[in-house]
Amino acid sequence: DTAVSQTPKYLVTQMGNDKSIKCEQNLGHDTMYWYKQDSKKFLKIMFSYNNKELIINETVPNRFSPKSPDKAHLNLHINSLELGDSAVYFCASSRSDREAFFGQGTRLTVV
Amino acid sequence: AQSVTQLGSHVSVSEGALVLLRCNYSSSVPPYLFWYVQYPNQGLQLLLKYTTGATLVKGINGFEAEFKKSETSFHLTKPSAHMSDAAEYFCAVNRDDKIIFGKGTRLHILP
Repeated sequence: DTAVSQTPKYLVTQMGNDKSIKCEQNLGHDTMYWYKQDSKKFLKIMFSYNNKELIINETVPNRFSPKSPDKAHLNLHINSLELGDSAVYFCASSRSDREAFFGQGTRLTVV
Repeated sequence: AQSVTQLGSHVSVSEGALVLLRCNYSSSVPPYLFWYVQYPNQGLQLLLKYTTGATLVKGINGFEAEFKKSETSFHLTKPSAHMSDAAEYFCAVNRDDKIIFGKGTRLHILP
């Protein structure tokens, strides 16, 4: 029973397209995140949601729009994809003692 | 602002030797501290965490870390390296629902 699950695992798409990545957690956590991991393995926080409300938006281009329909889901929609968006995107959730659980990642390749 | 510094983007140790991965943080107050491991093409897995209490923390796979407030450090150690320890290791701090990662250290195990 996967704790934090993301779909799809791989996503290959052309520049200019719009795509979405879905994330669900069954841990009952209040806080969910999206992270971007670049080719050098650097993990950068993009967004943080607490109980469906946006808490952190780390100067991410507004082509990226997170949506949280309920506290168990945090989806990421990306408009007008660019080559530089190619990366691995990780969803995570955390509990009260701040430990975060991560999904397996979505490898996005923009061609 | 908080930050995490990991010294050494690559560390190589022989199988059976001591593993030492360094992490320093900057924070005005003691943060929550974590070490995560990432195996190739996988998500992040929590190795250990420090929140409060005992400063020497034991984690999975024989790893441990010591929180030293005076040195603002949280170095990760393992007495005897195993080939299966080869992976990317990330130190992280979590405060106010924001998890900040270091740039990671790739651990190589030499036969």
